[in-house]
Amino acid sequence: DAGVIQSPRHEVTEMGQEVTLRCKPISGHNSLFWYRQTMMRGLELLIYFNNNVPIDDSGMPEDRFSAKMPNASFSTLKIQPSEPRDSAVYFCASGVPGLAGNEQFFGPGTRLTVL
Amino acid sequence: QKEVEQNSGPLSVPEGAIASLNCTYSDRGSQSFFWYRQYSGKSPELIMFIYSNGDKEDGRFTAQLNKASQYVSLLIRDSQPSDSATYLCAVYNFNKFYFGSGTKLNVKP
Repeated sequence: DAGVIQSPRHEVTEMGQEVTLRCKPISGHNSLFWYRQTMMRGLELLIYFNNNVPIDDSGMPEDRFSAKMPNASFSTLKIQPSEPRDSAVYFCASGVPGLAGNEQFFGPGTRLTVL
Repeated sequence: QKEVEQNSGPLSVPEGAIASLNCTYSDRGSQSFFWYRQYSGKSPELIMFIYSNGDKEDGRFTAQLNKASQYVSLLIRDSQPSDSATYLCAVYNFNKFYFGSGTKLNVKP
């Protein structure tokens, strides 16, 4: 299995532009997570899907952020408009709910820089 | 108060020693606990999880959970320079996941 796939791996954009990050989870995994990681705030859960349905989006920082999962093999995280403080590494992870909650497998991340 | 607390380190141990990484959590109802390893510039990688009180061993790694004290630890036996990384503790509680800020481990040859 190729693991979790994220694209792009790097994104540099200017303030005010729309940014779309993409994720393909591991086949057969029915949970999908979006995280943001910065030096200041560490790893933060933004949103969690189970069977394509958003379960918890309380971590989404504000209305500029939105996430969709139209099917079991694809999800997007969109930032519109982007701001410099959105600069971070964004990880997508997938997993299968089990007795221990959810063992999550992370993608390689997208490093976003907003100028 | 943060949901998950870890000492940021760095924790330095000599090669071959036991490294002990600690994590405390605030919600007594937390259900399961995960340890991830993250090399610089890479994504977190799951090492192991635990959800029952006591010890759980996997190779050189042992996770220890004490729910009464709200404390979970990771022991790494026979530490190797390749174990040098940041170790993240994660806590799961009713569809909510919280990560600690991580402890940086340096294993010196």
